[in-house]
Amino acid sequence: QVHLQQSGPGLLKPSQILSLTCAISGDSVSSNTATWNWIRQSPSRGLEWLGRTYYRSKWYNDYALFVRSRITVNPDTSKNQFSLQLNSVTPEDTAVYYCARSHISTSLWGFDDWAQGTLVTVSS
Amino acid sequence: QSALTQPPSASGSPGQSVTISCTGTSSDVGGYNYVSWYQQHPGKAPKLMIYEVTKRPSGVPDRFSGSKSGNTASLTVSGLQAEDEADYYCNSFAGNNIVVFGGGTKLTVL
Repeated sequence: QVHLQQSGPGLLKPSQILSLTCAISGDSVSSNTATWNWIRQSPSRGLEWLGRTYYRSKWYNDYALFVRSRITVNPDTSKNQFSLQLNSVTPEDTAVYYCARSHISTSLWGFDDWAQGTLVTVSS
Repeated sequence: QSALTQPPSASGSPGQSVTISCTGTSSDVGGYNYVSWYQQHPGKAPKLMIYEVTKRPSGVPDRFSGSKSGNTASLTVSGLQAEDEADYYCNSFAGNNIVVFGGGTKLTVL
């Protein structure tokens, strides 16, 4: 049974860096059959996929076009976790942020395990 | 504005069936069989209900079914139960290794 546990600050000021971590149990960030994703949700913008990291003999990243210039998703194999870094945040980045897994058994484009979510508020 | 279009609300009485649509373009829904559906109860994370248009993960009741025609995917909930009241979201692969979501549909069981 896969369990994802998020951590990170919930209040930021404009222009700061958003950093969240997602610890994985029951699977490996280095798995060849999974991808590790960040998704956010806000009342105004709904659910938005932000990006992912995954390992297929080497590490890969994919990012949504609208955040591509500001986002980094990194694996940490020593701690079996992955992270989100979003630079230069604005109030528009206020949302609940989720980490989620996709697995080859349920299509790599469907997210079968989710963390509990972290509300991140950007306000001066 | 979400990339995929869903009706904001849907409703049905217990025991009835309700269908929720998810409309995209030939670049996403119409171009690939990678549509998924999620159920989200208040304060909870989304739960995968359907993947690859029609497939159900283990543990999802067979009252939930998916289909697709052209650029529109649909989720049908048959035999509505009180616990089915939730928000439902679709997503689709959109090429170039990106994913897009719908705006969500609030399902009310009358």
